[in-house]
Amino acid sequence: QVQMVQSGAEVKKPGASVKVSCKASGYTFTSYGITWVRQAPGQGLEWMGWISGYNGNANYAQKLQGRVTMTTDTSTSTAYMELRSLKSDDTAVYYCARDRGVVVITGTLDYWGQGTLVTVSS
Amino acid sequence: QSVLTQPPSVSGAPGQRVTISCTGSSSNIGAGYDVQWYQRLPGTAPKLLIYANDNRPSGVPDRFSGSKSGTSASLAITGLQAEDEADYYCQSYDSSLRGVLFGGGTKLTVL
Repeated sequence: QVQMVQSGAEVKKPGASVKVSCKASGYTFTSYGITWVRQAPGQGLEWMGWISGYNGNANYAQKLQGRVTMTTDTSTSTAYMELRSLKSDDTAVYYCARDRGVVVITGTLDYWGQGTLVTVSS
Repeated sequence: QSVLTQPPSVSGAPGQRVTISCTGSSSNIGAGYDVQWYQRLPGTAPKLLIYANDNRPSGVPDRFSGSKSGTSASLAITGLQAEDEADYYCQSYDSSLRGVLFGGGTKLTVL
C-alpha cells in the first residue's frame, strides 16, 4: 500500500533553516510528483510547490521563491523540502503528498504524509 | 485576482443535502483548469474527495459529487452524516501565479 512517512517535529529559531523529509513506499517513485502543502495554526491550506519524481524539476509558490528548495533522492524514494530564513509565521504543519502529475502539476494529491510540525520561536 | 473563494461555513441536518461553492476567475477555474476537493477531518491529513472536477477516487462514497461551470465549482454532499463534519477545500491551478491555489476552506457542521 502507498505510504508517505515524514520526519519528526522540529523547533527552530528565527533565521534558521529546516529540512523535512518524506519517504514514499508502495509505488514507483519516479512515476509521480511530490507536492508540499502547509497549514499554519487557524489558517487554511497553502501550496508550497511541486517536484517531479522523474526528473527533479520543481515549481515553487511565488511567495516562497528564494527561500524554499525541494529535492528528491530516487535511490531511497525520499523527497525533501528545505525552508530557509525562517520567520515566526512559518510555524505550521507541513505535509508532503503524492501528485499524480510526474512532468506537469495536476494538483491531484491522492496520498498524504502524516504532517510535520515546524515551530519557529526565539 | 488569483483567489478561490469559499463560504467560511455551511451546515445541515443528518440526511440533508448541502453544497459548497468555490468561486475563481479567468486565470484558474475559468481558464479550464481542473478543480479538486479535499476533506480535512480534525487532527488528520487532508483526503482527496474529488479530482478533475467530478471524479471520485475509489473508496469515496457516491454521496460526494463535484461539478464545475464557468469560473465556479461546487461540491455536493447528500445524505449528510455526522462523520462528514470536517473542513472542505477546493483547489485548482492558476496561470497568473503559475502554481496551485487552495480555497480558504469551508467548515461543515452537521446539526
